[in-house]
Amino acid sequence: DAKTTQPTSMDCAEGRAANLPCNHSTISGNEYVYWYRQIHSQGPQYIIHGLKNNETNEMASLIITEDRKSSTLILPHATLRDTAVYYCIVRAPSGTYKYIFGTGTRLKVLA
Amino acid sequence: EAGVVQSPRYKIIEKKQPVAFWCNPISGHNTLYWYRQNLGQGPELLIRYENEEAVDDSQLPKDRFSAERLKGVDSTLKIQPAELGDSAVYLCASSLDRGAGELFFGEGSRLTVL
Repeated sequence: DAKTTQPTSMDCAEGRAANLPCNHSTISGNEYVYWYRQIHSQGPQYIIHGLKNNETNEMASLIITEDRKSSTLILPHATLRDTAVYYCIVRAPSGTYKYIFGTGTRLKVLA
Repeated sequence: EAGVVQSPRYKIIEKKQPVAFWCNPISGHNTLYWYRQNLGQGPELLIRYENEEAVDDSQLPKDRFSAERLKGVDSTLKIQPAELGDSAVYLCASSLDRGAGELFFGEGSRLTVL
């Protein structure tokens, strides 16, 4: 499974867009990009995933570069409840099926 | 629909004592995972089940850790004897299948070994 690199921490003003980057330069052609977040004292929560096209759901948007070596998770209007650790994971839908979590990005939304 | 249920939520024990954690996955989810999360770190996979079969236990410290998933539903993770370094949050997750689907996590069981 490909490794990912994320900034350790980020701040974002409430109501503004939060853009969380992730580098996955060794991603393979069949590996998806997943994003999870973990609010304090809770288990990780799925946000979104994609293969090569940009994806959007009710929580966030995922922008994957054309070469697929990096991606950005966008929370369009961050709220205080979005303060959490955000994990970017790359994973193939076959083989070992492992989700390998790194240390993630600690996002703090400021009032 | 009920989510992944774990118990106990918190457990404090003396070192060398045994401890067990229980997980009830989402109904119909065939794949079950146990993760361990140390403070400030991301979750690390301990074991993965496909129905009742443990298909990946390469990261499970087998000298003191054991797990079972009877009838392919509930699962129990046991530590015997516990060591100080086992203090962590133990997370259970389930997924509908082993493909591209997402994982659903429980709230975790926080273990403190004194």
